[in-house]
Amino acid sequence: TQLLEQSPQFLSIQEGENLTVYCNSSSVFSSLQWYRQEPGEGPVLLVTVVTGGEVKKLKRLTFQFGDARKDSSLHITAAQPGDTGLYLCAAYTGTASKLTFGTGTRLQVTL
Amino acid sequence: EAQVTQNPRYLITVTGKKLTVTCSQNMNHEYMSWYRQDPGLGLRQIYYSMNVEVTDKGDVPEGYKVSRKEKRNFPLILESPSPNQTSLYFCASSLSVPLSAYLYEQYFGPGTRLTVT
Repeated sequence: TQLLEQSPQFLSIQEGENLTVYCNSSSVFSSLQWYRQEPGEGPVLLVTVVTGGEVKKLKRLTFQFGDARKDSSLHITAAQPGDTGLYLCAAYTGTASKLTFGTGTRLQVTL
Repeated sequence: EAQVTQNPRYLITVTGKKLTVTCSQNMNHEYMSWYRQDPGLGLRQIYYSMNVEVTDKGDVPEGYKVSRKEKRNFPLILESPSPNQTSLYFCASSLSVPLSAYLYEQYFGPGTRLTVT
């Protein structure tokens, strides 16, 4: 059983469209991170959310941490081809030393 | 330039032939970790190290060994590789402050694609 479930698994959209990616769990987390991974590279951190209900914006990306700190969403406004990649949510579990990743959402944005 | 380096980037080997994938970071990070990435399964943690001479198992440690003799290096050892260890491997590092580790991002290396035949 995956601790962090992401949906959708795949998303193919056209430039200019909006989209939302979800990360859900039955566990409560002290914080949650979102990473983006491009082909041939390692994941790169986009944001860390810590407080329940927190909303963070990074240009056209909006991240939200659920009130109960069990889920998170990533919303992209007016997607661009440069947004193409694998989006991963991740959370520290146990003694805050193990980072668990979701299965990922693969996004493709076409012209 | 602050970075995590891994070598080799690509490796094809045969079942049972011992191999080591090296990982080095130049950011003076205490925390280092190894992950494997497989289609449909995402990134899964193999081993992690909170500091020199301190290592612990992640979610999928079977068939792997690690050592942390120096702060900057964290090699991954496969004593007897098997085909089910064919995967994309990532090393990562981060600052590690007790009870606050979750606040710090992990910096990932470029990955090592391993094929065991």
